[in-house]
Amino acid sequence: AQSVTQPDIHITVSEGASLELRCNYSYGATPYLFWYVQSPGQGLQLLLKYFSGDTLVQGIKGFEAEFKRSQSSFNLRKPSVHWSDAAEYFCAVVRNTGTASKLTFGTGTRLQVTL
Amino acid sequence: NAGVTQTPKFQVLKTGQSMTLQCAQDMNHNSMYWYRQDPGMGLRLIYYSASEGTTDKGEVPNGYNVSRLNKREFSLRLESAAPSQTSVYFCASKDRLGEAYEQYFGPGTRLTVT
Repeated sequence: AQSVTQPDIHITVSEGASLELRCNYSYGATPYLFWYVQSPGQGLQLLLKYFSGDTLVQGIKGFEAEFKRSQSSFNLRKPSVHWSDAAEYFCAVVRNTGTASKLTFGTGTRLQVTL
Repeated sequence: NAGVTQTPKFQVLKTGQSMTLQCAQDMNHNSMYWYRQDPGMGLRLIYYSASEGTTDKGEVPNGYNVSRLNKREFSLRLESAAPSQTSVYFCASKDRLGEAYEQYFGPGTRLTVT
């Protein structure tokens, strides 16, 4: 069965520092991978997605992610974190059932940014 | 263009009461989804509708029913609420059946069952 693992439940970084959030997936075929961000009390917003082509994908808000098939990983990065990046981040993989594609989410990583 | 809207934003129910959570999208999307979010568990799929007129169970369908009223609206009903259904509920929609198309999420409904 397809699954997504986010090993870090909570991460704290200083404003201006670099950030890497880890995501590992288990999927038999070429995966379609997503990173979503959820600000407190809000819904989920798509940061970026990967489904083919260049393994380094750029997203909104200065985020990027790199797909590494050999490591089954899709880690999210940002060179310099801003206080407004404090939120919860979810990695997800699509499961294609033939009638509709469904997302399987990781359990999330909560990012705290210190000033 | 409001995207995906959900009502109500907050609700408190007593055990055994029923209620319907409403979801509507104005993006002419074919597929719609209901998720619940619980601390430390991410989002789990309750039900989905691949297209108007069809609905299917997700990972955690027990205790819920859904109706795809038309292409825009997809409601989630709790017939007899239980404390285990205390959660934040999200509705989402997607344009096509293809995997590459992202899901757009509503702002959520926070439900407490006492």
